[in-house]
Amino acid sequence: DGGITQSPKYLFRKEGQNVTLSCEQNLNHDAMYWYRQDPGQGLRLIYYSQIVNDFQKGDIAEGYSVSREKKESFPLTVTSAQKNPTAFYLCASREGQGGDTEAFFGQGTRLTVV
Amino acid sequence: GENVEQHPSTLSVQEGDSAVIKCTYSDSASNYFPWYKQELGKRPQLIIDIRSNVGEKKDQRIAVTLNKTAKHFSLHITETQPEDSAVYFCAAAKRGGGADGLTFGKGTHLIIQP
Repeated sequence: DGGITQSPKYLFRKEGQNVTLSCEQNLNHDAMYWYRQDPGQGLRLIYYSQIVNDFQKGDIAEGYSVSREKKESFPLTVTSAQKNPTAFYLCASREGQGGDTEAFFGQGTRLTVV
Repeated sequence: GENVEQHPSTLSVQEGDSAVIKCTYSDSASNYFPWYKQELGKRPQLIIDIRSNVGEKKDQRIAVTLNKTAKHFSLHITETQPEDSAVYFCAAAKRGGGADGLTFGKGTHLIIQP
């Protein structure tokens, strides 16, 4: 089913808690991405990684952290420093270093602060 | 970096009519222009893409046109059907651009009126 899996589908976080969103791909893609989606805002890049053990900040990295210990995994942690974390989070992967290749998306995680 | 503008933000058409969504980009080095369709609560999926060595590409009821001189590209959907209702995102990318090579527009909510 598309080769890229996010979990959980729904996640609830209490104020002051850190939560981790999972993203796994079996497409053998080098590049992986995390986007945040809010109504009317499109897809905004949080972090990306083009190779294992290396990652770069995107446009809205504050309050988030990532790791890339394995090629197939790129988890995102939403920390308590993120003041407005309620959103739909999408993980994506691309072949090679990205460039002019198709991005494949996971099914998304909807995070809600309660 | 690249900047992609997408219009309109909402488009309502009668079933059977055509729909056109337009995007402009700023980086003349961009050479890959994908379009993604996202149904409510689901992942974005690629529906068509075009590279800069062609001016038009068709796939059944969907077509994309590219004007590199003017730096704009458009999605055309003919004979619209209820299942075409979704949010559509355009993007621009370039080889070697890494994460910066895939920049999304803010999306168009297409509504097909019965």
